[in-house]
Amino acid sequence: GAGVSQSPSNKVTEKGKDVELRCDPISGHTALYWYRQRLGQGLEFLIYFQGNSAPDKSGLPSDRFSAERTGGSVSTLTIQRTQQEDSAVYLCASSLVGLAGVNTGELFFGEGSRLTVL
Amino acid sequence: SQQGEEDPQALSIQEGENATMNCSYKTSINNLQWYRQNSGRGLVHLILIRSNEREKHSGRLRVTLDTSKKSSSLLITASRAADTASYFCATENQFYFGTGTSLTVIP
Repeated sequence: GAGVSQSPSNKVTEKGKDVELRCDPISGHTALYWYRQRLGQGLEFLIYFQGNSAPDKSGLPSDRFSAERTGGSVSTLTIQRTQQEDSAVYLCASSLVGLAGVNTGELFFGEGSRLTVL
Repeated sequence: SQQGEEDPQALSIQEGENATMNCSYKTSINNLQWYRQNSGRGLVHLILIRSNEREKHSGRLRVTLDTSKKSSSLLITASRAADTASYFCATENQFYFGTGTSLTVIP
């Protein structure tokens, strides 16, 4: 597709359930980023992929959060045993270059996946 | 942390006025970027300024960078109601964004 695609756009789940959020970056973009944005708040960095590897997982808030990227393309963010505080919009972004130390590329964002945990 | 922090947190102006928002960061950078987020949407890249640049223009946008003060400003001239959005700065690696400035332009 022409842009970053995220699915689902909206997800309502019950506390304790697992959820998977998907991000399909722009074709050819090597770097992929996941962020969390709580209502009225800024962006909280979660994880960064360069190709299939994740040099920086420091933003994942707990071991209930994991992410993977296969084939240097699609990424999945998984939240296990969801809690109410996980409710937020999860934003994915990709860029053509993503080199630790120097990144001259702009980020292209998807429209986000809005997660509501009841 | 290389986190950018914007101020003010919120800004309300009349249509036609200029809007200025600021960003401060903590460590040396190679570039700084500004993004815009309309309510409920993803972020859109506005402009990138490199560390060896002091000022950059794009349409009604003017960005300045002062590396000695570790700060940047975004000026939107002749604001329009459609400029109502949140504006974020991000330092290199795009790992870290600030909390944003929420701009409201009143028609």
